[in-house]
Amino acid sequence: DSGVTQTPKHLITATGQRVTLRCSPRSGDLSVYWYQQSLDQGLQFLIQYYNGEERAKGNILERFSAQQFPDLHSELNLSSLELGDSALYFCASSVTGSDTQYFGPGTRLTVL
Amino acid sequence: AQSVAQPEDQVNVAEGNPLTVKCTYSVSGNPYLFWYVQYPNRGLQFLLKYITGDNLVKGSYGFEAEFNKSQTSFHLKKPSALVSDSALYFCAVRARGSARQLTFGSGTQLTVLP
Repeated sequence: DSGVTQTPKHLITATGQRVTLRCSPRSGDLSVYWYQQSLDQGLQFLIQYYNGEERAKGNILERFSAQQFPDLHSELNLSSLELGDSALYFCASSVTGSDTQYFGPGTRLTVL
Repeated sequence: AQSVAQPEDQVNVAEGNPLTVKCTYSVSGNPYLFWYVQYPNRGLQFLLKYITGDNLVKGSYGFEAEFNKSQTSFHLKKPSALVSDSALYFCAVRARGSARQLTFGSGTQLTVLP
């Protein structure tokens, strides 16, 4: 158990809908990263937050957004969902100054 | 831009034999290199990392990796494979001084046969 929690574990929704994925980092970790794992794209970095502020952006679609709250938990919002958004979404966290990221168990999103 | 190549989608090895999972990277400047393992329906677990210093890095569960700058490689090794080592292995890289997000390889499925 990495100490990173993600909810929900599974999410099934329809095209065009909007969902929110939640992540709680390890105690004391200020950095949160979101990754998408799909069969065709592999594991791709989406976005990073540090202590509430956006730090880096990767291959994140404009339909997706994220934020990190004062209690350091983070949410990834996915809107106007398409079939191709079906994937595993991972959150990871790291302590300040460390390069080691610890991953949560992931949220499996299925868009029908 | 940085990238990672894991040239083998699948590696099969007999239990008790040594295993190697290959990784090569491309990055500007000096790299930070990582290995993660993913078991079915689980998140990624950190195995080991190379930041600086000794080219041979030891990690969790008896795994080690050797950084080779001239060959831009960071192969994962274990002297004696266990059936329980069967999983999906990912190599990742980031450039020193760059933002901390990782670039992952496509993964290698390791199967250890009893």
